[in-house]
Amino acid sequence: QKEVEQNSGPLSVPEGAIASLNCTYSDRGSQSFFWYRQYSGKSPELIMSIYSNGDKEDGRFTAQLNKASQYVSLLIRDSQPSDSATYLCAVISHDMRFGAGTRLTVKP
Amino acid sequence: DTGVSQNPRHKITKRGQNVTFRCDPISEHNRLYWYRQTLGQGPEFLTYFQNEAQLEKSRLLSDRFSAERPKGSFSTLEIQRTEQGDSAMYLCASSLGLGPTDTQYFGPGTRLTVL
Repeated sequence: QKEVEQNSGPLSVPEGAIASLNCTYSDRGSQSFFWYRQYSGKSPELIMSIYSNGDKEDGRFTAQLNKASQYVSLLIRDSQPSDSATYLCAVISHDMRFGAGTRLTVKP
Repeated sequence: DTGVSQNPRHKITKRGQNVTFRCDPISEHNRLYWYRQTLGQGPEFLTYFQNEAQLEKSRLLSDRFSAERPKGSFSTLEIQRTEQGDSAMYLCASSLGLGPTDTQYFGPGTRLTVL
């Protein structure tokens, strides 16, 4: 079992729709959770961090954390073509572990 | 630009040669991390520094890899006797080191191609 798992996609949504990205992790001691966006050929850029159970909203992005289920998700509302990228889930327990990423395509 | 910088951005080398990459972190950040990323995968942790001290090294970091951060500012990652399997994007990140809420910011990466 991988430490951080994501559906590789590709996930395709129409412009203006909600994109839902999911991530599960194996270490129950994990304390910090991050979503990074990575455009092709570029380095990861931080979108959101979340540390406690529940929802955290920042503009069009909402992160959701459920530690009991070891599950973290990212919702992107009103998806735009510029949101097309790979989204990386990252979890810190002892050190930072990344999932393989979910490739999102937003079609105009 | 006050973000994390890395040099060179691209490096092409022949198998068996040594290469060295440099990372300059955000100025007030005392933690510095190195990752390796291959196509279709997320970044894999290699090592990190708290100031000048190297606190952790991944099992992925073979004896051919060495990293330094001599004055607690910039860091170098050296790969000796490069192999084709070393071809990857090498990413550097830095953070303030705030414990559980610590956030890492990435540099643009160095893309290594070993022929």
